[in-house]
Amino acid sequence: AQTVTQSQPEMSVQEAETVTLSCTYDTSESDYYLFWYKQPPSRQMILVIRQEAYKQQNATENRFSVNFQKAAKSFSLKISDSQLGDAAMYFCAYRPRGDDMRFGAGTRLTVKP
Amino acid sequence: DADVTQTPRNRITKTGKRIMLECSQTKGHDRMYWYRQDPGLGLRLIYYSFDVKDINKGEISDGYSVSRQAQAKFSLSLESAIPNQTALYFCATSDRGPGETQYFGPGTRLLVL
Repeated sequence: AQTVTQSQPEMSVQEAETVTLSCTYDTSESDYYLFWYKQPPSRQMILVIRQEAYKQQNATENRFSVNFQKAAKSFSLKISDSQLGDAAMYFCAYRPRGDDMRFGAGTRLTVKP
Repeated sequence: DADVTQTPRNRITKTGKRIMLECSQTKGHDRMYWYRQDPGLGLRLIYYSFDVKDINKGEISDGYSVSRQAQAKFSLSLESAIPNQTALYFCATSDRGPGETQYFGPGTRLLVL
């Protein structure tokens, strides 16, 4: 069964605009970690942002922020002031304590100049 | 120099051949992982190791084996390659702790004819 679901296979955004990528996950755990990774055409997997489930405050990293809704099991990524270099595949990942990480299928983001 | 390296970066082989993918890291991490990436499926865990004497099966270990030769080295073997093992393979490392971030190598693209 798919633990992590990214319902948007592809998204596009105009340069300088804001885009939100969706991610939902299935778990009965209360303590876990969530991640967004970026994979540009170079295929390198790069950590974008990370969230601890016990923290209510949403994580932010410069232009990247998350909307973590624990009850809804939702973990969306917002990219503000989109840049051409943001074009990539984005993967949401879930990791419970002491267990391995599960990835979503990915969302391909296109940035239009 | 890259913290996590993989060799080879690309490989073409024939059905039935034995092939080994190697991973080295200079981050000093105890934990190492092997994933495969297929289009539309995200990354799936093959094997992982929490230290030199520890090897664990992941979600899709059938047809693969691993060896943890040292803290810094973790190799993945396909004893008898088959075409549906054509994929992008990633090695990753992480420090101890339940929510530790995983750092990925550049990936190995494998084609089995």
